[in-house]
Amino acid sequence: GAVVSQHPSWVICKSGTSVKIECRSLDFQATTMFWYRQFPKQSLMLMATSNEGSKATYEQGVEKDKFLINHASLTLSTLTVTSAHPEDSSFYICSARARGPYEQYFGPGTRLTVT
Amino acid sequence: AQSVTQLDSQVPVFEEAPVELRCNYSSSVSVYLFWYVQYPNQGLQLLLKYLSGSTLVKGINGFEAEFNKSQTSFHLRKPSVHISDTAEYFCAVSEKNQGGKLIFGQGTELSVKP
Repeated sequence: GAVVSQHPSWVICKSGTSVKIECRSLDFQATTMFWYRQFPKQSLMLMATSNEGSKATYEQGVEKDKFLINHASLTLSTLTVTSAHPEDSSFYICSARARGPYEQYFGPGTRLTVT
Repeated sequence: AQSVTQLDSQVPVFEEAPVELRCNYSSSVSVYLFWYVQYPNQGLQLLLKYLSGSTLVKGINGFEAEFNKSQTSFHLRKPSVHISDTAEYFCAVSEKNQGGKLIFGQGTELSVKP
């Protein structure tokens, strides 16, 4: 149990376009979802926290207009990178947490390359 | 503010040898502590967690960790490593009543050699 999926697993897009990444909890209801960014050989940096039905809370330094997060249901959160640029190329990982258990379950990640 | 420091960026070790990956944290309130493993181009898998109770925590794949409040440490250990343990290991801390927000250490690359 406690499986989180991400789609797509990798994506290449051209500079200036937007790309959407989906994060789904497959067998539990996720009251909270988190989005992380990871550069090569580095740690995960929390970008934002989203609770179902409410606006996401962004970490300091993360542009909310560039990284749009929607948590429309208890099993789906999306991250849209708008007007992507090469510096947005990174590994994006989501995690999901159910009400009660103090544990996050991580998705497999999405590799974004902006050319 | 909370922070996590993993003292070793890389740990090379021979197969069947013991290993310890060190983690120290800083926080002014009570915390929950976690160790995750990441294989190349994959997400994170939980190895073990400390929420409360016994300070010695056992996890998957033969790993264990000990919470030391006075030293604010949560070191990860395994008595005998395998080639398949080669991966990146992350220590993470979450302050109580912070909605599960995790702060990660910089990661330790464990390399097991035959």
